[in-house]
Amino acid sequence: EAGVAQSPRYKIIEKRQSVAFWCNPISGHATLYWYQQILGQGPKLLIQFQNNGVVDDSQLPKDRFSAERLKGVDSTLKIQPAKLEDSAVYLCASSPSGQPQETQYFGPGTRLLVL
Amino acid sequence: ILNVEQSPQSLHVQEGDSTNFTCSFPSSNFYALHWYRWETAKSPEALFVMTLNGDEKKKGRISATLNTKEGYSYLYIKGSQPEDSATYLCAPHSGGSNYKLTFGKGTLLTVNP
Repeated sequence: EAGVAQSPRYKIIEKRQSVAFWCNPISGHATLYWYQQILGQGPKLLIQFQNNGVVDDSQLPKDRFSAERLKGVDSTLKIQPAKLEDSAVYLCASSPSGQPQETQYFGPGTRLLVL
Repeated sequence: ILNVEQSPQSLHVQEGDSTNFTCSFPSSNFYALHWYRWETAKSPEALFVMTLNGDEKKKGRISATLNTKEGYSYLYIKGSQPEDSATYLCAPHSGGSNYKLTFGKGTLLTVNP
């Protein structure tokens, strides 16, 4: 079974530029998560989708971050414009239905450096 | 925001040593506790999902226990090997307004050959 795919793996941009990340979850998984992991901290949930609807985006900085999962499969996360403090690893995860006892399966992450 | 504490922050052990880490979390509205292992440049890998007070789970040389009444979990590694070097993350899944996984900062384990 293929795992969660993410691209790109690494990205370096200058502040005020835009960047987009892509995630392809495990086939059949209804729930998709985007996490931000800043160096020295644990991953923080940015947004959770159930199929193509948003379940939780309470920690997403909506003035600059946006995410979509149009057909309930792939998802993109965009930052526009980027700030220095957005330098982090962006992790995508998926799970079958989003229940608390379900394992979330993570992709390898996108490492973003904002200069 | 849920307060999740992991200790120690980092740990260096010799190959063959046994070691353990602690995860502390609020005991109210508890649903489940997840443990993950994250090696550099790889995907975080699920180790355990624990739901019941007194739960003990084992996977090879790694085991974990859960106390939901006092809000802590221990992760044990017996006979550490260099390939165990990674960051170990715990994440309680609680109800109420924080119905999501909240990760601790992790324990960075380095096993020296």
